[in-house]
Amino acid sequence: AQTVTQSQPEMSVQEAETVTLSCTYDTSESDYYLFWYKQPPSRQMILVIRQEAYKQQNATENRFSVNFQKAAKSFSLKISDSQLGDAAMYFCASKAGAGSYQLTFGKGTKLSVIP
Amino acid sequence: EPEVTQTPSHQVTQMGQEVILRCVPISNHLYFYWYRQILGQKVEFLVSFYNNEISEKSEIFDDQFSVERPDGSNFTLKIRSTKLEDSAMYFCATQRLAGGWDTQYFGPGTRLTVL
Repeated sequence: AQTVTQSQPEMSVQEAETVTLSCTYDTSESDYYLFWYKQPPSRQMILVIRQEAYKQQNATENRFSVNFQKAAKSFSLKISDSQLGDAAMYFCASKAGAGSYQLTFGKGTKLSVIP
Repeated sequence: EPEVTQTPSHQVTQMGQEVILRCVPISNHLYFYWYRQILGQKVEFLVSFYNNEISEKSEIFDDQFSVERPDGSNFTLKIRSTKLEDSAMYFCATQRLAGGWDTQYFGPGTRLTVL
């Protein structure tokens, strides 16, 4: 079984600044994947970034990067140069590597970007 | 870019009535999922579907729920006799390939309100 915890229900950031969203997880799997999804208001969830647990190097996608601490079971998302369009709910999720493809989600963090 | 679509966007029904929620997957995707999110709670996995069969289901997915892909395009979730606690956002997701690393693409959701 997998669990995902996001301890920050809401966060805010000034436009052009950097913000970090926290996520911790627990899993008994040795092979698993971690994801950050973004859900803008009234829009579908879209994948922001993903990390394979077997990779030590932190994933990056343009302004988005993760800090993956496997031993601590931590997977935080850093958004650099925040833009107004980054305002959304952000969900951290995990998925086992084999045998089960269901995503396990955290409760989400609502990010506001202040102009 | 191809998107997952869902209809209706909002469904209001009386307790005890049957509802069918529809999803049109991305055309070359082979794996299909339903998730739900009760207001204020986590997104929860309901069921996964591949090759016209349920491959995995959660405890939530009891005998009142069923899924099918009747015409090779739509993927439907049926709730036979709705309860008040079925009120939630229902998300369809699709995935092209097997494997934990492949991205699940989400639809915009159907908000189900049971009165």
